[in-house]
Amino acid sequence: QQPVQSPQAVILREGEDAVINCSSSKALYSVHWYRQKHGEAPVFLMILLKGGEQKGHEKISASFNEKKQQSSLYLTASQLSYSGTYFCGTGSNLIFGKGTKLSVKP
Amino acid sequence: NAGVTQTPKFQVLKTGQSMTLQCAQDMNHNSMYWYRQDPGMGLRLIYYSASEGTTDKGEVPNGYNVSRLNKREFSLRLESAAPSQTSVYFCASSGTLTGESRGYTFGSGTRLTVV
Repeated sequence: QQPVQSPQAVILREGEDAVINCSSSKALYSVHWYRQKHGEAPVFLMILLKGGEQKGHEKISASFNEKKQQSSLYLTASQLSYSGTYFCGTGSNLIFGKGTKLSVKP
Repeated sequence: NAGVTQTPKFQVLKTGQSMTLQCAQDMNHNSMYWYRQDPGMGLRLIYYSASEGTTDKGEVPNGYNVSRLNKREFSLRLESAAPSQTSVYFCASSGTLTGESRGYTFGSGTRLTVV
């Protein structure tokens, strides 16, 4: 079953923070996060395997709450290069959410 | 460069024509996948192969067939193309089915238009 992402889109100014959420109606054992820039392939950011574990990539981090069946991606002090669509994926053969489009403006 | 290679990059088909999308990876990955991406729909799994010799249906398998030719190659075939199959197709691979540690690596995609 497809995970649900929110918000669908967000616009930021450089330096601002954002949170992207991913939730599932099924039990989660792992959550993947990917970023896709326009016209390009998705690129792996991180995977979370344990409940409550946080991982980081640049100034991007994520948390995973097994009990709540959700994960959140945190983008701090956003840069122009963070613009793109972010996808979470769940399940043993990844099922992706519909994505969150992030636009960072100067 | 190591990675996932897809061919062709662009293709236009007429309704009813058939074609095969090719995918090859050189990372010695066990698992391979085919996704399609449509505006507002995210990435939807068509078929996957957990390991050489096995294939399974994903979320949207109707109208497609796959072949895991060997450990490196995983092809997607459209037997009778329909306009609803107009999409961007991505192939991906991972070391394990769950993609632990390094996640999935995606190819650059094939943009298919069926007229």
